[in-house]
Order: sequence, then C-alpha cells, then structure tokens
Amino acid sequence: GAVVSQHPSWVICKSGTSVKIECRSLDFQATTMFWYRQFPKQSLMLMATSNEGSKATYEQGVEKDKFLINHASLTLSTLTVTSAHPEDSSFYICSARDLQGTNEKLFFGSGTQLSVL
Amino acid sequence: GNSVTQMEGPVTLSEEAFLTINCTYTATGYPSLFWYVQYPGEGLQLLLKATKADDKGSNKGFEATYRKETTSFHLEKGSVQVSDSAVYFCALWGNEKLTFGTGTRLTIIP
Repeated sequence: GAVVSQHPSWVICKSGTSVKIECRSLDFQATTMFWYRQFPKQSLMLMATSNEGSKATYEQGVEKDKFLINHASLTLSTLTVTSAHPEDSSFYICSARDLQGTNEKLFFGSGTQLSVL
Repeated sequence: GNSVTQMEGPVTLSEEAFLTINCTYTATGYPSLFWYVQYPGEGLQLLLKATKADDKGSNKGFEATYRKETTSFHLEKGSVQVSDSAVYFCALWGNEKLTFGTGTRLTIIP
C-alpha cells in the first residue's frame, strides 16, 4: 500500500533554534498534505493543509510565521518550527492525500516527537 | 465545528474478550466516519470506514455501524488478540478535513 515517510522520528533541540520535519509520499503523488499536532492524551489537531505549489492554509490559532510549511513538489512537504520554545514540544504527524483516491484515502507518517530544551 | 468524542483509555483486556470502544460525533451535514489504528512505531492506518447512515464498516474482525440517530460509530470486535494491541482513533471527514477523537490505547494480555 501507499507509504508516507516522515523524518526525523524524534528530535531534541535548544530553545531558539529551528527544526525542519520532512514528509514524503513514497509511491504516489500527493497534491494535498496535512500537518497535525498531538499533545499527550489529546486528539490530533489539524495545524494546516498544504497544497502543492501554493500557500498552506492554516487552522485558526496556528501561527503561520512560526510553523512554516513548504510543499514544493508532489511528493514532499516540510514543516519548519522556527525559533522553537519548550511549549512547541509535541508530537507532529503528517498525512498525504493520494491523487488517485477519494477524499478518504489519507496515508499517515509515523510522526515526529519534538522536544525543545 | 465538528467534533469527535471517544472513550478514554487505556483499555486492558484478556485475549478472546469482547471489545467495544465508544465514539460519538457532532457534525454538520453528513460526514464520513472512520476508525484508524496506530501500532507501536508506525503511522496511522485506516481500519474501517462508513460513508452514510446505517453503513457498517468492517475489517480484521472489527466492525462499526454509522448510527445517525445516536450520532455514534462504536468499534467492536468479538474476540480480541494480542496483536490488536494499539491505539485506536475515531475520526470524521467533513469540511475538507479529518477531525479526530483523543485515541484509545488498547492492551491485550495473553
């Protein structure tokens, strides 16, 4: 089946630095990718919807200047957490929408655990 | 907006026990409903889905029926196995996005 690769799986960084997370669709083209954030014992919260070649659409309350999303190709989207602070520590998950599929065919990466010291 | 309320875990059962994980939703229109499963160290995988009222989704022995009158989509399995240990997420698709429940961690002991 379709596979989405998310990298890195975990990262520890110092406060004030930036961290980039990559999400790749390995065997299909994804015109749309989604970025989620999950706090312990809470839901996956949608942060933004990323469409290839256009600006991402951010959910209410998500700072677009802090969470930079780039979707430059049909197989790669990146999320950059800029000037990270401890409150940005969380589990980040991407998903990719299969170009050939219906609305419901979403494939998920295995997530990135970010810890900001 | 849309929301999903899911039974909180963790849930621990013995092998071959009956499983129910409750899920109710609030949504405008007629959303599609899903159960996703996340095995340790892996990404979320679609377990089953239902796209309209009274539809029953099923896969790997799991079932869930789309109940519009009770706005529910409870997950059931008649006899669980150790390999079913995972985190289960109920979700709905509406307004061009997936809305998730909080997830339920299931542990099956031999």
